[in-house]
Amino acid sequence: NAGVTQTPKFRVLKTGQSMTLLCAQDMNHEYMYWYRQDPGMGLRLIHYSVGEGTTAKGEVPDGYNVSRLKKQNFLLGLESAAPSQTSVYFCASSYSKLAQNHGYTFGSGTRLTVV
Amino acid sequence: GIQVEQSPPDLILQEGANSTLRCNFSDSVNNLQWFHQNPWGQLINLFYIPSGTKQNGRLSATTVATERYSLLYISSSQTTDSGVYFCAVYSNYQLIWGAGTKLIIKP
Repeated sequence: NAGVTQTPKFRVLKTGQSMTLLCAQDMNHEYMYWYRQDPGMGLRLIHYSVGEGTTAKGEVPDGYNVSRLKKQNFLLGLESAAPSQTSVYFCASSYSKLAQNHGYTFGSGTRLTVV
Repeated sequence: GIQVEQSPPDLILQEGANSTLRCNFSDSVNNLQWFHQNPWGQLINLFYIPSGTKQNGRLSATTVATERYSLLYISSSQTTDSGVYFCAVYSNYQLIWGAGTKLIIKP
C-alpha cells in the first residue's frame, strides 16, 4: 500500500526551464491537491482537483498548470521556472471534501531549487 | 480571508513534559485539522476536530468553535514528538494553514 507517491524527490532547474511533478495515489481518492511550503510557513494550495478531468485554482496558482487525466494521477507543471518557485512541493489526496473520516494523505515532498 | 494564528512559534521541552499548542482563527469554520510534520518533512494528519474534544493516545485536541480557537495537548512528550505542528481550517475548498509551532523534545 504505497499511499501517495511523488516524483522526483529533488530537482534543480535553471530559470526558464520547464518540468512536471508527478503525484500518484492508490487509495481511489477523488480529491487531490498540490501545495507548496516555504521556510517558516504553512502549506499554501496551488491547484486542486475534485475528480478525474477536473482542476481548479488554489491560493497561489500563478506560474503553474495541472492536469488530472486519470483518477490516480495529478500532474503539476512549471512552464518557465523562476527563482520564486524554489520551494518544497507536497501532493495530497483525500476521500472526501472535508476529509472528516479518513483525513488527508500526503506524499513525501519534492524539493525544487530554481537557480 | 480567514486568518489562522498559532502559538507559541517555538517550544523546547524535556522528555516527559506536557505541552499545549494553540490555534486561533478569525472566522467560523466547519473543518479544523491538526497535522504533524516530522523533522524529515513527512506530514501526518492528526485530528479532524471542528468542535469538541478528541483523544488519540498521548495526544488530544479540543476546539471551541464559538470562541474560534483550538488546542492540541501532548502529554508525556517523547523525542519522536519533535517536529512542527500545524492547524488548518477549511474555507472555500481550501485548507488555510497556520505558520506552525516548532516543538523540540530533548532527551
